[in-house]
Amino acid sequence: AQTVTQSQPEMSVQEAETVTLSCTYDTSESNYYLFWYKQPPSRQMILVIRQEAYKQQNATENRFSVNFQKAAKSFSLKISDSQLGDTAMYFCAFMKLRGSNFGNEKLTFGTGTRLTIIP
Amino acid sequence: GAGVSQSPRYKVAKRGQDVALRCDPISGHVSLFWYQQALGQGPEFLTYFQNEAQLDKSGLPSDRFFAERPEGSVSTLKIQRTQQEDSAVYLCASRRQGYGNTIYFGEGSWLTVV
Repeated sequence: AQTVTQSQPEMSVQEAETVTLSCTYDTSESNYYLFWYKQPPSRQMILVIRQEAYKQQNATENRFSVNFQKAAKSFSLKISDSQLGDTAMYFCAFMKLRGSNFGNEKLTFGTGTRLTIIP
Repeated sequence: GAGVSQSPRYKVAKRGQDVALRCDPISGHVSLFWYQQALGQGPEFLTYFQNEAQLDKSGLPSDRFFAERPEGSVSTLKIQRTQQEDSAVYLCASRRQGYGNTIYFGEGSWLTVV
């Protein structure tokens, strides 16, 4: 079974600064995806960024980037130029890949980091 | 619709009552998932449908939980004889055909059992 660990329950940072959220995971799988989801008070999980394990290049999406260290099983999220709208819970998630096109690719989530951007 | 729609958004049930939570996935999405999110925790997998077939129900916590998707679109999660530990947000998610595609979540149904 896979486990995902987020060791920072809460973080806060001044607006416009950079913040890094940590995530580690444990798996024996070689093919998988990793995700960061944002959950605002509305409770809807919104995909922030994803990384395919077979890709060495770190994923980036505008102000969001990851540092993926496969050997260390580490997957941190960096938010640059943080904005007030970034205030939310952030969840790291793991999904193993199956060979078929219709695999049950359920997500395994960490316990989340509550991020507050201070004006 | 444009996104995954869930109803009711909020439900208060007396202990022992039966509840039904509805999920309308994004049109054309083959895969549908239910997750349970307790307060202060990350979501945990409950069950998975591919069209109308329930292919994985390994996460359902007890036989009081039942899910269906009879026509391969709308899904209902039913909880019988609710107990206080069932209080949680129930998230529905859907994904179009093709592994690795993005999973889209609804806003959840917040169940409180009193």
